[in-house]
Amino acid sequence: RKEVEQDPGPFNVPEGATVAFNCTYSNSASQSFFWYRQDCRKEPKLLMSVYSSGNEDGRFTAQLNRASQYISLLIRDSKLSDSATYLCVVNIPESSYKLIFGSGTRLLVRP
Amino acid sequence: DTGVSQDPRHKITKRGQNVTFRCDPISEHNRLYWYRQTLGQGPEFLTYFQNEAQLEKSRLLSDRFSAERPKGSFSTLEIQRTEQGDSAMYLCASSRNAAGGEEKLFFGSGTQLSVL
Repeated sequence: RKEVEQDPGPFNVPEGATVAFNCTYSNSASQSFFWYRQDCRKEPKLLMSVYSSGNEDGRFTAQLNRASQYISLLIRDSKLSDSATYLCVVNIPESSYKLIFGSGTRLLVRP
Repeated sequence: DTGVSQDPRHKITKRGQNVTFRCDPISEHNRLYWYRQTLGQGPEFLTYFQNEAQLEKSRLLSDRFSAERPKGSFSTLEIQRTEQGDSAMYLCASSRNAAGGEEKLFFGSGTQLSVL
């Protein structure tokens, strides 16, 4: 089983739609979780951290479910500029500073 | 520009040649990472440094790969006797001690390696 798994998509949604991505992780002892965004041919950039209680940043909401070992990202009122690949990132417990990336979920927002 | 910078942006080489990439992290960041990314995949961890100490190296990394960070500032990644399978984007990232120990990475634009 991969350490971090994501549905590759693509998710093709109209502008204004709400879309959600899930990501599962294999190590129950992982403590740090993030969503990164990567535009085509660009480097990944931190979108948001994921906290146990769930957190929101504008149109983006991240949640963590430790019991089922998954994290989610919800995007409301999708914009064309949200089109990108969303990478789920989890730390390796034996090494707090080692972050493992999922393969990414591709989102296409159409007019 | 105070971000992470990588050089070169692109490298084309013939199989069997050696290549070296450079990364300059954000100046106050003490941790530096190298990742490799191929099309359709997420970044794959290669190695990381805390200051000048290389603390971890991926088991997937063969002996042909070596990384250094001699003065705890810039880092180099060398690939010896390149193979076609080494073709990928090599990404460098840096981070600093964050509140609560949370690790947030800032990436450079990467070096795209093509091995012919």
